[in-house]
Parts: sequence; C-alpha cells; structure tokens
Amino acid sequence: SQQGEEDPQALSIQEGENATMNCSYKTSINNLQWYRQNSGRGLVHLILIRSNEREKHSGRLRVTLDTSKKSSSLLITASRAADTASYFCATPAHQAGTALIFGKGTTLSVSS
Amino acid sequence: DGGITQSPKYLFRKEGQNVTLSCEQNLNHDAMYWYRQDPGQGLRLIYYSQIVNDFQKGDIAEGYSVSREKKESFPLTVTSAQKNPTAFYLCASKGTSGALSEQFFGPGTRLTVL
Repeated sequence: SQQGEEDPQALSIQEGENATMNCSYKTSINNLQWYRQNSGRGLVHLILIRSNEREKHSGRLRVTLDTSKKSSSLLITASRAADTASYFCATPAHQAGTALIFGKGTTLSVSS
Repeated sequence: DGGITQSPKYLFRKEGQNVTLSCEQNLNHDAMYWYRQDPGQGLRLIYYSQIVNDFQKGDIAEGYSVSREKKESFPLTVTSAQKNPTAFYLCASKGTSGALSEQFFGPGTRLTVL
C-alpha cells in the first residue's frame, strides 16, 4: 500500500541551483515528513509538516503542503554537491500504528 | 551516543537458510519498525512493534518473523519461506509522542542470497 509518490524520479542540477521535488498522497493525513537517504545508508529525517501548516522552513529547505490537492513539495535552495541523495516523503500508515508509508523517492544529483 | 545499530552490515545467505538481522536502540523508544528496500524503490513495512512483547505484521510480512522481548532489541529473521530476500533492510524506532514525531533509522543491512 503506497501512499506517497514523488516526482520527478530523478533530478540532475548544477551546484547553486534550486531543486524542487513533489509528493502526492492518497488519503487524509495529519502530517507529512521528508527524509533523505545517502547511497547505501539509512534514512535521515529532514522536516515534518503538520496538516494545519502550509509552509515550513529549515535552513535551505522549504516544504509546502496543500491538503486540498493532497500534495507536498520540497525545495532545496542553493544546492551543493553534498545534497546528492535520494529524498522520500512519508505519511502515516493509518492501518499500522505509528508506522510510515514511503514513496519511491526522488534521486537528486548535484554536480559541481 | 544515542542511536540505532544494525548488524551485520552485509549478510550472505544460501538458499534454504534462515538468517537473523540484529537491531538495537538506546533511545528509549517504545516503537520499532522493519522496512525492506529494493533497488530504486521506496521502503516497504515488514513488521512493527509499538511496545515490548507485542508486534504486528506490515504489508510484506510473509517469510519473515520478529520478536520483541526487550525494549532495546527488535531482531528480524528472514526464513527460507521468503523466496526473494535479497534486499536492503532498515530498522527504525520512534518515541511515544504520537504520530507527530520522526523515525530514527539504523544504517541498514544488505542481505544477498547466493
């Protein structure tokens, strides 16, 4: 049961450019989270946005949430080579306690 | 240092063998989770445990088993009944502040069937 779908699947940009990734989900949620995964590593939490929030910032990250469209976006400004990773959105798994449902992710490649 | 550890980092299994993946956390978290990740794919939930001595099946539990005898530990056994076990396995944990908190992930175990 996949809740979130990220778009695009892959994104290649130059250092200094902005990167925007989108996530769509299917059912009502009370929060949406974004995670980052470096190749072959575990996931690291980036940001959580509640359903009553429309926008949230954390450093170079900006997340928006549109519950009417069931979509979210993650913007990374002034990208760096170190931002190269896969990015996943995650939403609560209503039928599985406090577990999360993850999308397939967006693979971001930032070249210097 | 607080965190989640998984061992081993790489594991090779012959067909027909059972293998156990270790997951330990010292974050004092009640909830723990096992996910499977295939190449180019997202994470799929195998099993989860909200509290000691209790666990529930996730979306792809067939061929796997778990135990939760201690709060700190949530080992996953990949049995011979799992026909395609080659994958990257991730363990996670979460505190008791409800749904509005993050999951913490271990570094993962890469399992390969020979």
